[in-house]
Amino acid sequence: DTGVSQDPRHKITKRGQNVTFRCDPISEHNRLYWYRQTLGQGPEFLTYFQNEAQLEKSRLLSDRFSAERPKGSFSTLEIQRTEQGDSAMYLCASSPNGGAQETQYFGPGTRLLVL
Amino acid sequence: KNEVEQSPQNLTAQEGEFITINCSYSVGISALHWLQQHPGGGIVSLFMLSSGKKKHGRLIATINIQEKHSSLHITASHPRDSAVYICAVSAGGTSYGKLTFGQGTILTVHP
Repeated sequence: DTGVSQDPRHKITKRGQNVTFRCDPISEHNRLYWYRQTLGQGPEFLTYFQNEAQLEKSRLLSDRFSAERPKGSFSTLEIQRTEQGDSAMYLCASSPNGGAQETQYFGPGTRLLVL
Repeated sequence: KNEVEQSPQNLTAQEGEFITINCSYSVGISALHWLQQHPGGGIVSLFMLSSGKKKHGRLIATINIQEKHSSLHITASHPRDSAVYICAVSAGGTSYGKLTFGQGTILTVHP
């Protein structure tokens, strides 16, 4: 257990539905990342927050995706009008301050299957 | 060409063998990370390197900044080492901290 939790762990939904995932980072960590991993591939960066500010979004994050981190604590990632291509593992990670030489602590991931 | 390339993609070993996984990258980095991912998805950080060599138990990680290459070694491999090993780099500049990952190496160690 790294101290980062994600909920739910698994989600099955039908195409066109909206889904929301939650990440609770280690409490004193200011930096929070979202990554996506498809089967057989390494994770890919989606977005990150420094406290409550969303500082960067990947081109992978279409306008159907939105992420928030109200009050700089937990974060949510919402996917609207899901597509089969959204099926993947969604990983959250946190680090103390976002320095390039900081260890990132990963949550267990949310596995999404879009039917 | 991906910014981070790992080899081999799959590796099978017998218990007790010495294992090496390689990682090459093409961008300037602030640090290189070796991560372990077990079935079910959870990722654990093994090492973070910006130069030289680090050792933890039976695991050794090295990096050559000039050659943009890193290796992860496992001595006296054990079936519990079976996992996916992922190399990732964090760049400097305005995107510091965010990781770019290799595709992973699937390691299977047989008893």
